[in-house]
Amino acid sequence: DIVMSQTPLSSPVTLGQPASISCRSSHSLVHSSGNTYLSWLHQRPGQPPRLLIHRISNRFSGVPDRFSGSGAGTDFTLKINRVETEDVGIYYCMQTTQFPWTFGQGTKVEIK
Amino acid sequence: EVQLVESGGDLVQPGGSLRLSCAASGFSFSNYWMYWVRQAPGKGLVWVSQINNDGSNTNYADSVKDRFTISRDNAKNTLYLQMNSLRAEDTAMYYCVRDWFGESTWGQGTPVTVSS
Repeated sequence: DIVMSQTPLSSPVTLGQPASISCRSSHSLVHSSGNTYLSWLHQRPGQPPRLLIHRISNRFSGVPDRFSGSGAGTDFTLKINRVETEDVGIYYCMQTTQFPWTFGQGTKVEIK
Repeated sequence: EVQLVESGGDLVQPGGSLRLSCAASGFSFSNYWMYWVRQAPGKGLVWVSQINNDGSNTNYADSVKDRFTISRDNAKNTLYLQMNSLRAEDTAMYYCVRDWFGESTWGQGTPVTVSS
């Protein structure tokens, strides 16, 4: 199975300041189709996960443009341009390139 | 609007059984592979099982193989997870997930608690 590793596991941030989360996979996430199926999810307390970014850098419908994704191969990054109160919660990277799906451990973003 | 609504979660004793359902709406259910993902209290996300669009191909995590069975009824737009021989470690929120080439949509989840 592909192992997904996130850093940091906790990120206290100041409102209005940027935040960045890294995700590394144990194997390349490039699919035979040429696409890379790396997604970012956000989970608020008591809520289900919701998709933010898919295929490395594509924002899902309704996701604010302060969220951006980048990377390639085995190294990926989620950036929040200016953190807002509603951005608190846990962020997960997720790969669906190879069966079985695997997830990072999660990064908890909280306001300082 | 795409909607996935899970139901069937409950408190069950070790060794017991439950059947989870996921009612899908707002999209052509029969065109999509579907997935179950679970999250133990305070823990991360773990893939449990998947089924292809016509139900002919299924896969399971090793931890649930031979105990859980995924199925679907495309006429009823419903996904199922039959869970037998339940263990304490199966305690989790169970999410139904639709995926289309990396674009995943998640249901609200249904809680399963295995305890005596």
